[in-house]
Amino acid sequence: DGGITQSPKYLFRKEGQNVTLSCEQNLNHDAMYWYRQDPGQGLRLIYYSQIVNDFQKGDIAEGYSVSREKKESFPLTVTSAQKNPTAFYLCASRKNREHSSYNSPLHFGNGTRLTVT
Amino acid sequence: KNQVEQSPQSLIILEGKNCTLQCNYTVSPFSNLRWYKQDTGRGPVSLTIMTFSENTKSNGRYTATLDADTKQSSLHITASQLSDSASYICVVSYTNAGKSTFGDGTTLTVKP
Repeated sequence: DGGITQSPKYLFRKEGQNVTLSCEQNLNHDAMYWYRQDPGQGLRLIYYSQIVNDFQKGDIAEGYSVSREKKESFPLTVTSAQKNPTAFYLCASRKNREHSSYNSPLHFGNGTRLTVT
Repeated sequence: KNQVEQSPQSLIILEGKNCTLQCNYTVSPFSNLRWYKQDTGRGPVSLTIMTFSENTKSNGRYTATLDADTKQSSLHITASQLSDSASYICVVSYTNAGKSTFGDGTTLTVKP
């Protein structure tokens, strides 16, 4: 089955440590996205990539970094500079590069819940 | 500022009953509107999509409507089931800059 795999499902880290969240897709999608979800709030875009070796900042990129060395993979690093890193992180992909593409919905992974203490 | 507002924030209904969720937006220029269903601890899954020329779209017991003039959309769930318990998210895409704006979601609980 094609899909998006995020790992691990739960992640615990001490404050001051960097942590990398994995996101892999076998849908052959061009575009990949990272969102952050906090309780009672809408998803907020952290970073996105529309093509290998290229990525763009989203609305809340500060304290995060990404890479897109392969089409299938889009890991997210939460650095110690992120002031409030505890959240639910969702990775998504889309077949077409256009954000507003009618026939190309976002396909989401099942998320990684990061807790930093 | 492009905004998407959903109401109610949460809703509890009995199994078998119908319900309607609302989404108002100020996104411009409008491209399309999607409704997603998000089960607890999972990623959202697309239910429907509509452009300004479509005013109704159904997916099984889910029916979405769109009034592009008033910038309002609704998601109607018929004959609710326990498995409908989830968060329902309205997402509006706009054509410049190529981004999408997510609503905060409505949490629906269906009780037996």
